[in-house]
Amino acid sequence: GAGVSQTPSNKVTEKGKYVELRCDPISGHTALYWYRQSLGQGPEFLIYFQGTGAADDSGLPNDRFFAVRPEGSVSTLKIQRTERGDSAVYLCASSLEGAVGYTFGSGTRLTVV
Amino acid sequence: AQRVTQPEKLLSVFKGAPVELKCNYSYSGSPELFWYVQYSRQRLQLLLRHISRESIKGFTADLNKGETSFHLKKPFAQEEDSAMYYCALLRTYKYIFGTGTRLKVLA
Repeated sequence: GAGVSQTPSNKVTEKGKYVELRCDPISGHTALYWYRQSLGQGPEFLIYFQGTGAADDSGLPNDRFFAVRPEGSVSTLKIQRTERGDSAVYLCASSLEGAVGYTFGSGTRLTVV
Repeated sequence: AQRVTQPEKLLSVFKGAPVELKCNYSYSGSPELFWYVQYSRQRLQLLLRHISRESIKGFTADLNKGETSFHLKKPFAQEEDSAMYYCALLRTYKYIFGTGTRLKVLA
């Protein structure tokens, strides 16, 4: 696609529910990243995929968070048993391998009520 | 610890006035620093990186290793420069972002 696409753009869920956030990167971009941006903060790294594998998941806050990229393209960030503290904008970005500038998506604003 | 600090949450200047958005970093190695910008209702996008030493939209940023700073400057602000600006440090493939500075350029 022309850019990084994230769906949904907004998601409101109840505490304790499971959510999935989708990211469709730029075609041909092998590197994919997830960041989380809480209110008043800069984006914080969550996970990095190179191809299908998670090369670095050190930013995932706990085991309620999981991400997959089964075919090396679309990625899904999964959050189990959501908590109010998970409310944030979740940003996805992609890049060519070795490139240092990312292309970011518009983000998914997650609100846990 | 590696850290990026942007001390100003909000900076307001009049159109035509000079702009300086401050960024300080903490990093033990040789840093790679960037400025990202987010205009209203748009996605985060790369503005410039220190290695390229370029000027984008009239903005420049010089890496000062002695002061561990990477301030973003523009001699004459324009209304269209109003946006959120993030300074970021690249560690291999992942960024450490500052908390951002909102720039408001007043007519």
